[in-house]
Amino acid sequence: GAVVSQHPSRVICKSGTSVKIECRSLDFQATTMFWYRQFPKKSLMLMATSNEGSKATYEQGVEKDKFLINHASLTLSTLTVTSAHPEDSSFYICSARDWGGASYEQYFGPGTRLTVT
Amino acid sequence: KQEVTQIPAALSVPEGENLVLNCSFTDSAIYNLQWFRQDPGKGLTSLLLIQSSQREQTSGRLNASLDKSSGRSTLYIAASQPGDSATYLCAVYGGATNKLIFGTGTLLAVQP
Repeated sequence: GAVVSQHPSRVICKSGTSVKIECRSLDFQATTMFWYRQFPKKSLMLMATSNEGSKATYEQGVEKDKFLINHASLTLSTLTVTSAHPEDSSFYICSARDWGGASYEQYFGPGTRLTVT
Repeated sequence: KQEVTQIPAALSVPEGENLVLNCSFTDSAIYNLQWFRQDPGKGLTSLLLIQSSQREQTSGRLNASLDKSSGRSTLYIAASQPGDSATYLCAVYGGATNKLIFGTGTLLAVQP
């Protein structure tokens, strides 16, 4: 099956710094990638939809200036958490849809655990 | 607005039991429904995907059914094992929104 990777898997940063998380589709082209956030013992919350070559579409309540998304190529999307604060600590998961397939199936990365101290 | 609910929120069963997890969604205009498994602190593992035109999908001990008109799906796990312990999430994809909407999850514990 299709593989999506994320890097890093874990990151600890100090309050006020910025952190970049990478999401790559390894064996397929993904014109659309999605970024989710998951709080402890909660389900996944969609943050934004990222389309290759265009601006991301953010869900209501998600600060676009804090969570910068770039989808510069068909296999890479990045999420940058700017001026991170402890409340940004969470599990971030990316997903990619293979438009070459007919099933509209989404493939998920392994997630990135962000801890802001 | 699509809402996806899973019942029960938590389930504990002894090893060897067959069990059913339930998923319901409010908007039946979906393209597909996926079942995922998530282990603590880990990402999602896709278990089964059912297209809107399909009634069920099977993979090993897992069988997922879909009744689109009533907005329901079930995940049947046969002969449960301790290794099946995880959180199970269902998610529906509706074409109009181009979004995968997740359910609330069922935390399954299979006791040895």
